[in-house]
Amino acid sequence: DIQLTQSPSFLSASVGDRVTITCRASQGISSYLAWFQQKPGRAPNLLIYDASTMHSGVPSRFSGSGSGTEFTLTISSLQPEDFATYYCQQLNSYPRTFGQGTKVEIK
Amino acid sequence: EVQLVESGGGLVKPGGSLRLSCAASGLTFTNTWMTWVRQAPGKGLEWVGRIKRKIDGETVDYAAPVKGRFTISRDDSKNMLYLQMNSLKTEDTAVYYCSTDLMEFWGQGTLVTVSS
Repeated sequence: DIQLTQSPSFLSASVGDRVTITCRASQGISSYLAWFQQKPGRAPNLLIYDASTMHSGVPSRFSGSGSGTEFTLTISSLQPEDFATYYCQQLNSYPRTFGQGTKVEIK
Repeated sequence: EVQLVESGGGLVKPGGSLRLSCAASGLTFTNTWMTWVRQAPGKGLEWVGRIKRKIDGETVDYAAPVKGRFTISRDDSKNMLYLQMNSLKTEDTAVYYCSTDLMEFWGQGTLVTVSS
């Protein structure tokens, strides 16, 4: 199985900060990576697929990049509604594994 | 508007069985691969399994922890997705979500608690 490791696991930041989350795959997955945002008690929401393609309706402050084994999710200017947990997921092969999550909290 | 609505969760004893359902609307269900994902309390997301559409053979893949105990099926005539869970263990306690395979649409989740 492909393992995904996110870093950091926890991030404390202020409104307006630029935030970067990294997801590393245990083997190459081309660009078959998605990013999700999840708020407490809610289902996850798809943000980005194919590593860098924004899902419909996602604010432009979110962006994704990378290929192979290293990927990043960047929030260019953190907004109050962005405080949540973020997950990466690989779609290269089954089982479709998730990263362990990165919790973004208010500093 | 796409809607996925899970039902069937509840409290069950270890070793017991439960069947979850997911009612889909607003999408061409027949053409859609579907997935189950779960999330244990306070933990991360875990992919459970996926079923392809009928013309792709309705092939199912499962995560190792549930293989041989869980069965995913679909009824395209009713736009329904199912997750039959047998031989349940305490570690199966989680919120179970159905989603489209590319995960652009999710249900609200249904809680399964396995406890004596």
